[in-house]
Amino acid sequence: DAKTTQPPSMDCAEGRAANLPCNHSTISGNEYVYWYRQIHSQGPQYIIHGLKNNETNEMASLIITEDRKSSTLILPHATLRDTAVYYCIVRGAGGTSYGKLTFGQGTILTVHP
Amino acid sequence: NAGVTQTPKFQVLKTGQSMTLQCAQDMNHEYMSWYRQDPGMGLRLIHYSVGAGITDQGEVPNGYNVSRSTTEDFPLRLLSAAPSQTSVYFCASSTRGSSYNEQFFGPGTRLTVL
Repeated sequence: DAKTTQPPSMDCAEGRAANLPCNHSTISGNEYVYWYRQIHSQGPQYIIHGLKNNETNEMASLIITEDRKSSTLILPHATLRDTAVYYCIVRGAGGTSYGKLTFGQGTILTVHP
Repeated sequence: NAGVTQTPKFQVLKTGQSMTLQCAQDMNHEYMSWYRQDPGMGLRLIHYSVGAGITDQGEVPNGYNVSRSTTEDFPLRLLSAAPSQTSVYFCASSTRGSSYNEQFFGPGTRLTVL
């Protein structure tokens, strides 16, 4: 699985958009970008994933650059409950990749009132 | 659905003791995994299973055993606890039914080895 690089911490004002970057310059063609978050030592929670196209769901948007070497997770209107550690993970689909995630240190996002 | 459940929530052991951390899921997921998380670190994969009767090692398997006799349960056994195994343990499950897989995590077991 490709290695990812994230800033160790970021701040965001409540109600504003939080943009969390991730570099994955060694990503290969069949590898997906996943985002998980971990709130206050709870179990990690899936947020979103993508392969090539930008994706949006009820939680967030994922913007992947055309060369796929980096991506940005966007929380459009951050709330205090979004304060968490956010993990960007690159992993292939299928086969023995199922059930295996490689977590880095992630980005600690702090949302301020 | 209860999702992924783990017991116990907290455990204190003495060095050399053995114990089993329990994990169960009611989503009929084929894949189950065990991770550990040390303070200030990301999660590291201990063991995983792609189905009943099939297990394999992850990144940090030493000192741990697993078995998968049913789809629902995936217990993690500490053979002889050591202080280095003080950590938070998370169990996760996922299905192979789509091109991606969302892993569902349990609430964790916080283990201290004295």
